[in-house]
Amino acid sequence: QQQVKQSPQSLIVQKGGISIINCAYENTAFDYFPWYQQFPGKGPALLIAIRPDVSEKKEGRFTISFNKSAKQFSLHIMDSQPGDSATYFCAASMRPGNQFYFGTGTSLTVIP
Amino acid sequence: NAGVTQTPKFQVLKTGQSMTLQCAQDMNHEYMSWYRQDPGMGLRLIHYSVGAGITDQGEVPNGYNVSRSTTEDFPLRLLSAAPSQTSVYFCAAQGPVGEQFFGPGTRLTVL
Repeated sequence: QQQVKQSPQSLIVQKGGISIINCAYENTAFDYFPWYQQFPGKGPALLIAIRPDVSEKKEGRFTISFNKSAKQFSLHIMDSQPGDSATYFCAASMRPGNQFYFGTGTSLTVIP
Repeated sequence: NAGVTQTPKFQVLKTGQSMTLQCAQDMNHEYMSWYRQDPGMGLRLIHYSVGAGITDQGEVPNGYNVSRSTTEDFPLRLLSAAPSQTSVYFCAAQGPVGEQFFGPGTRLTVL
């Protein structure tokens, strides 16, 4: 059973546009929700993370929106750039030191 | 500060062979994990360790063994390789607030 469901599987966005990737979870015990960025041939790298006590977190062009009642969170990439083309994974865990559950990934392509 | 290192980068095995994937970290983090990444399936947890001498199974542990004799090292052993174990393997160390630091990965092909 997939603990974290991610959509879409792939996404194509024009340069300068907004990229939106969505994730949903069932386990209300999750309290840490990170997003990872992965370039081809590389390991995933932490992009941004949020805890459920806030509804939004912004770091530069990247924003996480969190809806606790709907058990959903999303990544927004503003002013998308070709260099943002990568695979993005959402994840969830219950607390530091616990297992992470990853979404299936979204392949983002930003076309010039 | 190398972070998390993995060797080898690539490996080809024949069915039935055994091998060890190496993982080392220099961040002194207690929690380490092994994942496999397959197309369309994201990252799936194989085994994890909360500290030296302590390991536990993740979501897909069958066919794999781990040990953790030191904080730094967390090797993954394939006991008898099968084509279903063809995958990219990532080792990760987890920091104190939950952030995971991944290694560069090992691409394994089992013929």
